[in-house]
Amino acid sequence: KNQVEQSPQSLIILEGKNCTLQCNYTVSPFSNLRWYKQDTGRGPVSLTIMTFSENTKSNGRYTATLDADTKQSSLHITASQLSDSASYICVVSLNNRLAFGKGNQVVVIP
Amino acid sequence: GAVVSQHPSWVICKSGTSVKIECRSLDFQATTMFWYRQFPKQSLMLMATSNEGSKATYEQGVEKDKFLINHASLTLSTLTVTSAHPEDSSFYICSAVHRDRWLSGANVLTFGAGSRLTVL
Repeated sequence: KNQVEQSPQSLIILEGKNCTLQCNYTVSPFSNLRWYKQDTGRGPVSLTIMTFSENTKSNGRYTATLDADTKQSSLHITASQLSDSASYICVVSLNNRLAFGKGNQVVVIP
Repeated sequence: GAVVSQHPSWVICKSGTSVKIECRSLDFQATTMFWYRQFPKQSLMLMATSNEGSKATYEQGVEKDKFLINHASLTLSTLTVTSAHPEDSSFYICSAVHRDRWLSGANVLTFGAGSRLTVL
């Protein structure tokens, strides 16, 4: 079973609306959790990174939260824009091991 | 910040030829790099883990004789698609592990921009 599960697999939202992506992990303990954004045909780019002791981290309209007790992280996109259409990947790091989810595919429509 | 460079960003080749893709860590040393492939509208699929100075570890179902990985230095890993066929056409991405000094030396992952391979 994958150590990192993301949901929903895909999501369509209207421009200007908010959305939340979920990442549930079983890797424990871990050193850091990172959210990446991957535009079509491009490599993933880091959005946020949190250590196990952090609860929230923001990067512009992107806000990531972390609940180490429930082993859940979420990425909240505020006031979505067309350029937010992308795949969002959750990666959990522990020492030299990395576990990554399959991504949340977000499509923002006008 | 850490930068990972991939080259070429896109390549078109004839069926039967071999293609080499390079992955370089520009401002850090990477003992471990990863290679992925991604088909349209699908998630990243880990192909192999490349460790400097040793043989790569391939994921189940990935042919090691088909996808040759060499990690001869701490800043360079190469993926060679041998005797490429149209079904090998895909988006290949590498990533490198480095220690982030702002995170108390924790391992973090930086991705390259990817290389699109089209085999005719």
